[in-house]
Amino acid sequence: ELKVEQNPLFLSMQEGKNYTIYCNYSTTSDRLYWYRQDPGKSLESLFVLLSNGAVKQEGRLMASLDTKARLSTLHITAAVHDLSATYFCAVGTGNQFYFGTGTSLTVIP
Amino acid sequence: NAGVMQNPRHLVRRRGQEARLRCSPMKGHSHVYWYRQLPEEGLKFMVYLQKENIIDESGMPKERFSAEFPKEGPSILRIQQVVRGDSAAYFCASSPPPPESCSFGPGTRLTVL
Repeated sequence: ELKVEQNPLFLSMQEGKNYTIYCNYSTTSDRLYWYRQDPGKSLESLFVLLSNGAVKQEGRLMASLDTKARLSTLHITAAVHDLSATYFCAVGTGNQFYFGTGTSLTVIP
Repeated sequence: NAGVMQNPRHLVRRRGQEARLRCSPMKGHSHVYWYRQLPEEGLKFMVYLQKENIIDESGMPKERFSAEFPKEGPSILRIQQVVRGDSAAYFCASSPPPPESCSFGPGTRLTVL
């Protein structure tokens, strides 16, 4: 069974600081997805990474994929309060999506 | 293009009753996934379906839970004889063939009294 691990599970960071969330997975895949979930809401797609070395950026978030290391990162630059949410990575294999445990991010003033 | 639709959004059942959760995928999406999320936890895969076929039900409890995606109409997740432990948010997602990402519905929040 494919395992997807995220760390940290909980992250509290100050506004203006930078931080990285890590997503490790246990088997070969070249499709990696990042989602955001606000409390009580559904999941919103953020990034789709489809090849080794892929990097995508949207605002203060940047995601990258290293398929050889089986690692994706979500980097947060100069955090602001409205980035507070839970972030999930998901690994695609075949027609399946396997989700990580989520990282709950709280940005404090 | 309407997104993934789920209904009801909230469902309250007493122990022993049946819960039926519906999911209409996005137009053009042939793959449907059901996930369960307990409070403060991640997403647990339950079942993956295509039209009239269950492709992977490895995440479904062996008893009381069933799913279908008929030729016409929405996908249905059915929970018979609900127990308090079934209380959770149930999310449906749909996707076209890979590598596109899956899109999530708003979820059905099931409360078992």
